[in-house]
Amino acid sequence: EVQLVQSGAEVKKPGESLKISCKGSGYSFTSYWIGWVRQMPGKGLEWMGIIYPGDSDTRYSPSFQGQVTISADKSISTAYLQWGSLKASDTAMYYCARLQGYCSGGSCRGYFDYWGQGTLLTVSS
Amino acid sequence: QSVLTQPPSVSGAPGQRVTISCTGSSSNIGAGYDVHWYQQLPGSAPTLLIYGNINRPSGVPDRFSGSKSGTSASLAITGLQAEDEADYYCQSYDSSLSVVFGGGTKLTVL
Repeated sequence: EVQLVQSGAEVKKPGESLKISCKGSGYSFTSYWIGWVRQMPGKGLEWMGIIYPGDSDTRYSPSFQGQVTISADKSISTAYLQWGSLKASDTAMYYCARLQGYCSGGSCRGYFDYWGQGTLLTVSS
Repeated sequence: QSVLTQPPSVSGAPGQRVTISCTGSSSNIGAGYDVHWYQQLPGSAPTLLIYGNINRPSGVPDRFSGSKSGTSASLAITGLQAEDEADYYCQSYDSSLSVVFGGGTKLTVL
């Protein structure tokens, strides 16, 4: 059974750093792109970026480029989303999801067939 | 402002049919790129509902169907049930932005 299990909820202060995780199981973790999606309170889904754990090839949405860092450790089948200095506006639910598709050059095509349960991030002073 | 436009809300009575539209442009849906749909039940993560415009993953009831024409796509739900009350999102590819989602539609079952 394919599963993506995310790390637990976080409460942080502005300016702090954070790394959240997404552990895949039940499939070949290195063979599928893993994307990250933000959902701000009461709002819709926003694609942040994506990584291919096989070689750590990474793409970012223009809206999130430079704001977050996506990485992966294929030895433990885990993808990460990282912030260097959190802001209150980073408060949101963050989902990882497996892409059934591909990325080539600057484009990623396909759909997200499995999703993690989400990690709720609250940034408040 | 999402690149893919969905109505903020739709509603219907149990047993009725509702449709949710997803309107794009020549740089996404109109360029022939596939549209996919997700259902997000209250308090839950999104789940894949329709992929490749018209295909249902195993386990998704045939009450849900997708279509695409020109620069738009639609999700139809027939025989509406109380358990269908959720948010629905379309997703496609845009030549400038890569992965794009619609703004989402809240379905209320009256």
